[in-house]
Amino acid sequence: TQLLEQSPQFLSIQEGENLTVYCNSSSVFSSLQWYRQEPGEGPVLLVTVVTGGEVKKLKRLTFQFGDARKDSSLHITAAQPGDTGLYLCAGDGGTSYGKLTFGQGTILTVHP
Amino acid sequence: NAGVMQNPRHLVRRRGQEARLRCSPMKGHSHVYWYRQLPEEGLKFMVYLQKENIIDESGMPKERFSAEFPKEGPSILRIQQVVRGDSAAYFCASSPPAGVWAEQYFGPGTRLTVT
Repeated sequence: TQLLEQSPQFLSIQEGENLTVYCNSSSVFSSLQWYRQEPGEGPVLLVTVVTGGEVKKLKRLTFQFGDARKDSSLHITAAQPGDTGLYLCAGDGGTSYGKLTFGQGTILTVHP
Repeated sequence: NAGVMQNPRHLVRRRGQEARLRCSPMKGHSHVYWYRQLPEEGLKFMVYLQKENIIDESGMPKERFSAEFPKEGPSILRIQQVVRGDSAAYFCASSPPAGVWAEQYFGPGTRLTVT
């Protein structure tokens, strides 16, 4: 069974601070996705990383896929209250096509 | 391009009744996935379907749960004889035909409450 561990589970910071969320596993993933979920809504896809060592930037968000494709990180620079939400990582194991394994999520609160 | 649509958004059922959850994938997407999100837990895979075929149902409970994706119409997740433990948010996702990996786009979910 593939597992993804996300840390921290909760993160409460002030506007303007930087933060990093981690997603770790002992398993190798073909690809890894990061989602953001608002209360009462479905997860919204932020990015997909596929290649080991890959780095993708989306405005103030930087996503990195580990060299061995077992871990990933999400870094947010100068966080804003609008970044508040639940961040989820999800991995595609490749052995069962389309079966995403989700981390438990990180609840981020950015205070003005 | 409309996103993934799910209905109803909220569903209340009494114990023992049936719940039918519908999902229309994004236009051009032929793969549908259902996930369940229990309170205080993460999203758990239930089933993966293509048109008229169940590809992977390894996450489906053995009893009372079934899913279909007919040639015409939405995908349906059916829960018979619901129990309180079935109360959760059920999300549908879709993806286009893809090669090695696929990106899944989620609908807004159906929140099922069993009283």
